[in-house]
Amino acid sequence: DGGITQSPKYLFRKEGQNVTLSCEQNLNHDAMYWYRQDPGQGLRLIYYSQIVNDFQKGDIAEGYSVSREKKESFPLTVTSAQKNPTAFYLCASSIQLGSEKLFFGSGTQLSVL
Amino acid sequence: AQSVTQPDIHITVSEGASLELRCNYSYGATPYLFWYVQSPGQGLQLLLKYFSGDTLVQGIKGFEAEFKRSQSSFNLRKPSVHWSDAAEYFCAVGDQNSGYALNFGKGTSLLVTP
Repeated sequence: DGGITQSPKYLFRKEGQNVTLSCEQNLNHDAMYWYRQDPGQGLRLIYYSQIVNDFQKGDIAEGYSVSREKKESFPLTVTSAQKNPTAFYLCASSIQLGSEKLFFGSGTQLSVL
Repeated sequence: AQSVTQPDIHITVSEGASLELRCNYSYGATPYLFWYVQSPGQGLQLLLKYFSGDTLVQGIKGFEAEFKRSQSSFNLRKPSVHWSDAAEYFCAVGDQNSGYALNFGKGTSLLVTP
């Protein structure tokens, strides 16, 4: 079955440590996105990618980095520069940028030890 | 500035009762409108969407929503709520200028009582 897979489901980070969240899709979608969700907040866009080897900053990109070396993969690195990393992270994809429908992964909960 | 507002943080309804979740937006261009549902610890599932045409749209799980341009609203409704509908509901808006980055509301948490 096609879909989006995020791993791990739960992740813990020590102070000053970089961690990478995985997002893989087998839907053959060109566009991929990373959102951050905090309690009582809507989803906020961190980064998005229109196509392989291209990505753009969203509203809250500081402290994060991404890569898009393969169409099916869009990993997110939470760097030590992100001072408040504890959140629920959602990856999404769509057929193309601006497409009507986003498909979401099941999310990764990141916590700081 | 573009914005999406869900005025109700929490809503409690009895099983079998009707439901309406409010969503208001402020966009310069003709908006694309969405409702998503999220179960605890899960990703988001699309309930329905509006792009153009009939302003009353039908979605999955018996939900519907009505686009009212004069009120800048896209409220979600269901005639009879089931206990399994308890979840977090998000309204999202995009447009032709920024459709790649849906703007999400803060969500409404729905509790269903027996």
